[in-house]
Amino acid sequence: QKEVEQDPGPLSVPEGAIVSLNCTYSNSAFQYFMWYRQYSRKGPELLMYTYSSGNKEDGRFTAQVDKSSKYISLFIRDSQPSDSATYLCAMSSQETDKLIFGTGTRLQVFP
Amino acid sequence: GAVVSQHPSRVICKSGTSVKIECRSLDFQATTMFWYRQFPKQSLMLMATSNEGSKATYEQGVEKDKFLINHASLTLSTLTVTSAHPEDSSFYICSAPAGYIQYFGAGTRLSVL
Repeated sequence: QKEVEQDPGPLSVPEGAIVSLNCTYSNSAFQYFMWYRQYSRKGPELLMYTYSSGNKEDGRFTAQVDKSSKYISLFIRDSQPSDSATYLCAMSSQETDKLIFGTGTRLQVFP
Repeated sequence: GAVVSQHPSRVICKSGTSVKIECRSLDFQATTMFWYRQFPKQSLMLMATSNEGSKATYEQGVEKDKFLINHASLTLSTLTVTSAHPEDSSFYICSAPAGYIQYFGAGTRLSVL
């Protein structure tokens, strides 16, 4: 079993839809959770980060962490074609700087 | 957020030559930096951890003599792909942590002919 599981997609939605992206993990030591957006042939760009459990909102993006279920989510409201990219969840623990990534979910938002 | 600069963004070289990729943290210091490799439609694969002033730590299966890492200052790490071969063609990305958050460079696309 991988430490972090993420559905690779692709996920195709119409413009304006609410998108839900999810990851599950097995290591209860993870405390730092991040979502990155990666456009084709570019480096990952940090979207959201949270520490421990809870919700965090930034514009159209909301990140949720449920440590009891070992489940994290990223919601995108009013999705735009420019949101079309691969979304990577990543997490780490206090013991190490290393990030453990999900496989990434390819999202396509069509006009 | 913090900025990590990676150079060059694209390099094409002949088989047998060596290629150096630079990774700089522009507005913060990084005692540790990370080097990743990414194949098409796959996630990032950690190659090695670059440590300022000491030897890099390589992940299992990564040839340390093929991928030389130098972290000579608190803002610069370099990855040198030695005697490159076509199978080394890939997308290489560096990152540096600021606190517990990692910031990534824009990546380097290496094509070995």
